[in-house]
Amino acid sequence: DAGVIQSPRHEVTEMGQEVTLRCKPISGHNSLFWYRQTMMRGLELLIYFNNNVPIDDSGMPEDRFSAKMPNASFSTLKIQPSEPRDSAVYFCASSLRAGGQETQYFGPGTRLLVL
Amino acid sequence: KQEVTQIPAALSVPEGENLVLNCSFTDSAIYNLQWFRQDPGKGLTSLLLIQSSQREQTSGRLNASLDKSSGRSTLYIAASQPGDSATYLCAVSDRQGAQKLVFGQGTRLTINP
Repeated sequence: DAGVIQSPRHEVTEMGQEVTLRCKPISGHNSLFWYRQTMMRGLELLIYFNNNVPIDDSGMPEDRFSAKMPNASFSTLKIQPSEPRDSAVYFCASSLRAGGQETQYFGPGTRLLVL
Repeated sequence: KQEVTQIPAALSVPEGENLVLNCSFTDSAIYNLQWFRQDPGKGLTSLLLIQSSQREQTSGRLNASLDKSSGRSTLYIAASQPGDSATYLCAVSDRQGAQKLVFGQGTRLTINP
């Protein structure tokens, strides 16, 4: 199994530009999570999906952030327009939903730098 | 709002020692607690998951305990090895948001050969 795949691994962009992060979950998993990790705030859950449906987006910081999951094998996290304070490592994780007792499998992350 | 704290932020010990990492949480009404490992530049790897009804879980040289009433968990690593060097994070979820994990800031562990 290839694990959770994220692209790109690194992204450098200028303030105001649109950024799209991509995630391919583990085949057969039905839950997908987007996290953000910074030195100041640690690891925070942004949004998660069950069976491609967004369940909780309360962690999404602003309307500039949006996430979609058009099918079971692909999700995107978009930031438009990007700002320097969005610089962080963004992780995608997937799991096979089991009433909250499931293990989440994390991708390698996308390191985003907004200049 | 649930808050998770891990102390110390960093720990350095010689190879072969047994060690304990600490995690505390403010709201004892958790659903489960998990310990993860994060290597530099990598994602997280789940180590152990303890359900709220359990007291401990073991995997190889790792043992995690849970005391819900006091809001504490410990991760015990026996006979530490240089390969154990990583950041260890604990995370909790509650019944209303069983899939939503709240993470601590982590303990950066260095095992010196």
